[in-house]
Order: sequence, then C-alpha cells, then structure tokens
Amino acid sequence: KQEVTQIPAALSVPEGENLVLNCSFTDSAIYNLQWFRQDPGKGLTSLLLIQSSQREQTSGRLNASLDKSSGRSTLYIAASQPGDSATYLCAVLYRGSTLGRLYFGRGTQLTVWP
Amino acid sequence: NAGVTQTPKFQVLKTGQSMTLQCAQDMNHEYMSWYRQDPGMGLRLIHYSVGAGITDQGEVPNGYNVSRSTTEDFPLRLLSAAPSQTSVYFCASSYSILRTGNTGELFFGEGSRLTVL
Repeated sequence: KQEVTQIPAALSVPEGENLVLNCSFTDSAIYNLQWFRQDPGKGLTSLLLIQSSQREQTSGRLNASLDKSSGRSTLYIAASQPGDSATYLCAVLYRGSTLGRLYFGRGTQLTVWP
Repeated sequence: NAGVTQTPKFQVLKTGQSMTLQCAQDMNHEYMSWYRQDPGMGLRLIHYSVGAGITDQGEVPNGYNVSRSTTEDFPLRLLSAAPSQTSVYFCASSYSILRTGNTGELFFGEGSRLTVL
C-alpha cells in the first residue's frame, strides 16, 4: 500500500530555532514530492515541489530534500518565526499510481512562540 | 489569474438534501480533483478528472457524483446528504505530468465547509 507518514504530528518551538520536519514514503518510484502549508480554516498552499530527479529545493528560509533510496524527505525551516505556525503536509505522486493522484501525509502541526 | 475558486465557502444541509459544490480553475489545467479533510483522517480523494469528459473514483466516492463538461469546471454533487458527509471539501488542479516540462504541481482552492444536520 502506498502510504505517506509525517513525524512528528505536532511540534512547539521558540522563535528563532531551526526546524526539521520529516516525511517518509513507502515506494521509491515517485514522480515528485510536494510540501504544503495549511493555515487554520484555509486551503493548502504549495511551498516546494521536488521532482524525482532532484535532491533538494530551496525557497527563502525553506529547504526541502529528497532521498528516494531511503524513502524520506525533510523540510528544513531556518530561523523560525511565529508566522510560520501552521500545519505542514507532504504529498507524494507515485509512479504507477493513477495519473495525478497524490498521497498525503497527515501533517505536522507547528507552533512557533515568541 | 484567480487560480482555483470554490463556492460556497460554507453550507448547512439537512439529511437527505442534495447540493452541488462548485469548482472552477482558470489555469487550463487538465487534472482536477476533489478531496475531503476530516480530523484524524487527513485528506482523502473523492473523485478526479484527467480531462474534459473523463472522470474516475478516488478512495471515498460513495454518495458523490462528478462531471467534467469543460476544462475549467469540476462540480461535486451530493445526492442525498448524510451527517457522515460533514467535512471540509477541497478542489485541486494541476497540469498533467504528461505535458512536457510540467511538474504536476497541485493547486488548491480555499475549501468549502459543509455541515449536514
């Protein structure tokens, strides 16, 4: 079964800390992996997308890495701020699955306190 | 560009009523999908479409119908609402990964919060 797991489920840190959020997937045959942010009561906003041929992607204070052989991706957040508080989800597009169908993890709920 | 637009944002129904959640995108995306999000269950795929005239079932299709008569629109119909369909519904769209140079990045609407009494 193609699954996506995110650890930890929740994380609470003081402002300024560097963070690592983890995502693991069961099959290394993927097209891409996408990280999303979801604020309470809102939709999902795409943060970073890593294609199968890539090892990492960066956007501002965010860096996402991909290790297909171990079935893992990490989202690194540098110098965290209270505005980073949200739920972060990763989603995997597997090769061989129905075209375009993403498999989502259940997310990591991040709280950054001043 | 408006992106992915969902209406209504909020809706309250009585058991047995029917309704349609609307989804429209202006990015000329081939792929469109509907998810529901419930506490502790994550996002679950209801139905999806890879192009106009083509739809298929996801993980939890029972009680829902879809159609895709145009590239832009992908409405979700609840045939006879049940309390178990109380949820937040998200529409999402992307270019097909078969289109050269496209990553398949998925874009979401803001969601429609449905309560069935």
